[in-house]
Amino acid sequence: DTGVSQDPRHKITKRGQNVTFRCDPISEHNRLYWYRQTLGQGPEFLTYFQNEAQLEKSRLLSDRFSAERPKGSFSTLEIQRTEQGDSAMYLCASSPDGTGGANEKLFFGSGTQLSVL
Amino acid sequence: AQKITQTQPGMFVQEKEAVTLDCTYDTSDPSYGLFWYKQPSSGEMIFLIYQGSYDQQNATEGRYSLNFQKARKSANLVISASQLGDSAMYFCAMRGNNFNKFYFGSGTKLNVKP
Repeated sequence: DTGVSQDPRHKITKRGQNVTFRCDPISEHNRLYWYRQTLGQGPEFLTYFQNEAQLEKSRLLSDRFSAERPKGSFSTLEIQRTEQGDSAMYLCASSPDGTGGANEKLFFGSGTQLSVL
Repeated sequence: AQKITQTQPGMFVQEKEAVTLDCTYDTSDPSYGLFWYKQPSSGEMIFLIYQGSYDQQNATEGRYSLNFQKARKSANLVISASQLGDSAMYFCAMRGNNFNKFYFGSGTKLNVKP
């Protein structure tokens, strides 16, 4: 168990460019979540995958954002035509199928810090 | 609508004293889970404690305990014997009836003074 891995750790881009982030969840975890966190705030939900199916999307996820989880393993989050307001920490989290109790907790990656200039 | 409210943006506590971080929630789901996470300045989110909506007893994990008052929809975190390493942001979170999303509060920044 190597934990949730996110790549890259930091990304600096110019406004209007496209960026893609990758998340590798814990291998036996079927559930995968993307969150966005700005400085001093709590994580905001973006989207949720159960295996390869994207079951929930936040209204925050505009048409410039897209996420995939092919084959139910790693996931990618792409932001097209980035804007300065997209600057934030993008967190990925995974959890196993619910067996109840603390087992349903989220395991977080270290995040990707995006800066849009 | 599901919502988590943390009304204390910042708290100070003396080392070795106990501190309570407040959390209230709003949900109409009959079944839900409540979580507390710690986020140090390094950024990683560390799970602290869990309380299920049907659990009869308050959860405890070492120096952490959760004061769960279901009727008042509150789930306060109590940290006993504070340590300097407890200085961090603390987030309360809730999972609703399904597992499609977890809701987070805005956090409380705890500073432990020597």
